[in-house]
Amino acid sequence: DVKVTQSSRYLVKRTGEKVFLECVQDMDHENMFWYRQDPGLGLRLIYFSYDVKMKEKGDIPEGYSVSREKKERFSLILESASTNQTSMYLCASRGQANTEAFFGQGTRLTVV
Amino acid sequence: GENVEQHPSTLSVQEGDSAVIKCTYSDSASNYFPWYKQELGKRPQLIIDIRSNVGEKKDQRIAVTLNKTAKHFSLHITETQPEDSAVYFCAASMGPGNQFYFGTGTSLTVIP
Repeated sequence: DVKVTQSSRYLVKRTGEKVFLECVQDMDHENMFWYRQDPGLGLRLIYFSYDVKMKEKGDIPEGYSVSREKKERFSLILESASTNQTSMYLCASRGQANTEAFFGQGTRLTVV
Repeated sequence: GENVEQHPSTLSVQEGDSAVIKCTYSDSASNYFPWYKQELGKRPQLIIDIRSNVGEKKDQRIAVTLNKTAKHFSLHITETQPEDSAVYFCAASMGPGNQFYFGTGTSLTVIP
């Protein structure tokens, strides 16, 4: 079974803090994704990575950065958290075959 | 880039009735179309997928149809049960190394 694990289920941070969300997958997948999920807006892509040290901006990259130093780990960084970044964050991974993406359990981030 | 639209946003059906959710996409290069089910508080999970070389696929009570010419695909759930209540997302992808573009989701409620 593919496992995609996000480091935290719930996080509460203060405005202006630097926030790290970690995601680890155990299936040697090349492609990893960070999505943000908000009611009525579906899943919006923040960044994705198709290889180690490679990254591509998604639809809403502003205020975020990412790091992929190892194949199994993809980190999302909020450089200076703001209240409008309060959301559910979902990590996903996918192999090189044209198949599904597997999701982590999500991190609900609240910025106060 | 690709644009995926999904309708309806909410759907209520009586137990035993059928449910249909429709999605359209804009980029003819998309060739993989998964459907995800997300139960409350859980991660999205694949329920069925279809590739562009296939017009229809069925798995027990769930079926997906794809019309490449019209650029639309649909999810059909027959004999609905209360445990089918969830949010359903359609998505489109141009293959490995590319992102998934998600619809905005359909909240399905099956009334016992």
